[in-house]
Order: sequence, then structure tokens, then C-alpha cells
Amino acid sequence: DAKTTQPNSMESNEEEPVHLPCNHSTISGTDYIHWYRQLPSQGPEYVIHGLTSNVNNRMASLAIAEDRKSSTLILHRATLRDAAVYYCILLAGGTSYGKLTFGQGTILTVHP
Amino acid sequence: DGGITQSPKYLFRKEGQNVTLSCEQNLNHDAMYWYRQDPGQGLRLIYYSQIVNDFQKGDIAEGYSVSREKKESFPLTVTSAQKNPTAFYLCASSIDRVGQVSTEAFFGQGTRLTVV
Repeated sequence: DAKTTQPNSMESNEEEPVHLPCNHSTISGTDYIHWYRQLPSQGPEYVIHGLTSNVNNRMASLAIAEDRKSSTLILHRATLRDAAVYYCILLAGGTSYGKLTFGQGTILTVHP
Repeated sequence: DGGITQSPKYLFRKEGQNVTLSCEQNLNHDAMYWYRQDPGQGLRLIYYSQIVNDFQKGDIAEGYSVSREKKESFPLTVTSAQKNPTAFYLCASSIDRVGQVSTEAFFGQGTRLTVV
């Protein structure tokens, strides 16, 4: 499985934008880029996913590099409720959607 | 409300005993999964099932067993053969049909198992 690399931790202030990077230099053409987040003592929650084009939803935006070797999850205005571990995961096309390979993720701290 | 439910939230077990964790979903999802999470770590896949009466081992299946007799239910048994069973266990479900656009998995709130 193609691997992803994320910073161990990042910090932000409330109401500021947050850019969470993810490197996936060995991504294959059929791999989708998924982001999940996990709040303390809870199950992971889906955030967003994409293949080639940038994606927006109510939670976040996903910016995908032209060569697809990296991507960035963008939280436009961080709130205290966004403090969580964020996981960047590659999912091969045709793979079961829940068969996810989790790395260490990025611990996001949001300061009031 | 549709969702995925795990019970109990906290579970204590004596060493040497088997214990079964419950996972139920009413999302009409074909696929269900069990993950284990240790402190400060990401999730690791134990078992998954894409259809009733069928399941496959994940990355760390040793010491665990599952069944899938109904679409809605995917119980996990932690057996006495599991050497280090204390962990946070998470169940998930998803659509799993050929031709579907890639979508998301839904996770339960987890069961925290402690061996005493």
C-alpha cells in the first residue's frame, strides 16, 4: 500500500486558517486521497476525499498537487472543536471503503 | 436515527477469559470492519466482512474471532489467546458495491477493553 507522511503535530489559533500537509509520493493513479479526523476517545470521522481535482465541502477543502504527490487539508476558520488527530489515507480504487490504513496522523491543537 | 452502535463503552475482563464486543449498524451497509487502537497510535485492522457469512483477516487477526450471521451485526470475540488485549476497539461500516463512487466509512464510538 502506498504510504503517506504527515507532520506529528501542528498548532493554530481559533478563527485562523489551518493547512495540514500530506505527502504521498508513491501514490498510484487509482488511489483516492481520504482525510479522517479523530477526537479524543471517539471513533474517526470522515472529513473529505478527492482524486485529482480540488474538493470543497462544509467541513474543509482539499487541495491536491498537480502531480498528486502531495495534498493539503484546509480548515478555513479553525474552532476549538477542530482540535483532533487528522489522518491522511490513500484508498485504492475498488478497495472496500472502510479498509483503511491509518498512520500516526497529525495532532492539531487549536488555541483560543 | 441511522448509525453504528458499539456496546459496551467500557469493558473489564479477567486474564484468560474470552469476551465479545458488540457492533450493530442500521445503515444497510454491506461491509463491516473491526479496528484496534493503542494509546498514541493509529488504528489497525483486525477483521473485515464484505458480505453476510463471509469475513477476512486484517493485519492483526491473531487472538480474535468474528461472525457475520446478519447484515446488521458483526461481533468481535477477544479470546484468551490474544496476548495484549487491553486497547480501544472500533467498529466501522461502509457501502461496498462494485461501481460505487468512493465514499466514506462510518465508525462507532468504540469499546475500551481493559484486562485486569
